Amino acid sequence: KAGVTQTPRYLIKTRGQQVTLSCSPISGHRSVSWYQQTPGQGLQFLFEYFSETQRNKGNFPGRFSGRQFSNSRSEMNVSTLELGDSALYLCASSPGGLETGELFFGEGSRLTVL
Amino acid sequence: EDQVTQSPEALRLQEGESSSLNCSYTVSGLRGLFWYRQDPGKGPEFLFTLYSAGEEKEKERLKATLTKKESFLHITAPKPEDSATYLCAVERGGSNYKLTFGKGTLLTVNP
Repeated sequence: KAGVTQTPRYLIKTRGQQVTLSCSPISGHRSVSWYQQTPGQGLQFLFEYFSETQRNKGNFPGRFSGRQFSNSRSEMNVSTLELGDSALYLCASSPGGLETGELFFGEGSRLTVL
Repeated sequence: EDQVTQSPEALRLQEGESSSLNCSYTVSGLRGLFWYRQDPGKGPEFLFTLYSAGEEKEKERLKATLTKKESFLHITAPKPEDSATYLCAVERGGSNYKLTFGKGTLLTVNP
């Protein structure tokens, strides 16, 4: 059974640019959630999508947005990049949703903002 | 605001030396508490879900327990392959649920 796939794995952007990250969940999983991981703040919840609807959102500015497609694949977009957006962005899929805690994480997309 | 504090930040054990990791939390209406393991360069791996005080879950050398204010991850006779960062997360109940993670405990088990 294929795991959660995130692309790209590494990317470098400059301040002011925007970036789109992609996540393909495990087949049959309808919930996809996104997280930002930094050494200082640890792992922080961004948002969750379930059957193409955003169900919950963490405390991040509106520059962070996402969407989910009918095949459950999800994308996350960050506009007007800032240096502080440099982080590992993790995607997780779940068969039953965020509330079960049973999340299957991808290996992440490491974003560096220069 | 929900808070999760994990201690110690780092723990070094000898192979076979049992110990416990702590996760203390403050959350309005706990819906669930979750433990994950994260290896370097990888995403976290789900270990346990605990829903109510007094609940316990076991998996191989790991046992997780939950009280009203904290959770413990007990590691019995650890092996070097248990070396990883262990993360704890809580989920608030209600319609606006979300996960709040602790910063983790980095466990190193020496052979």
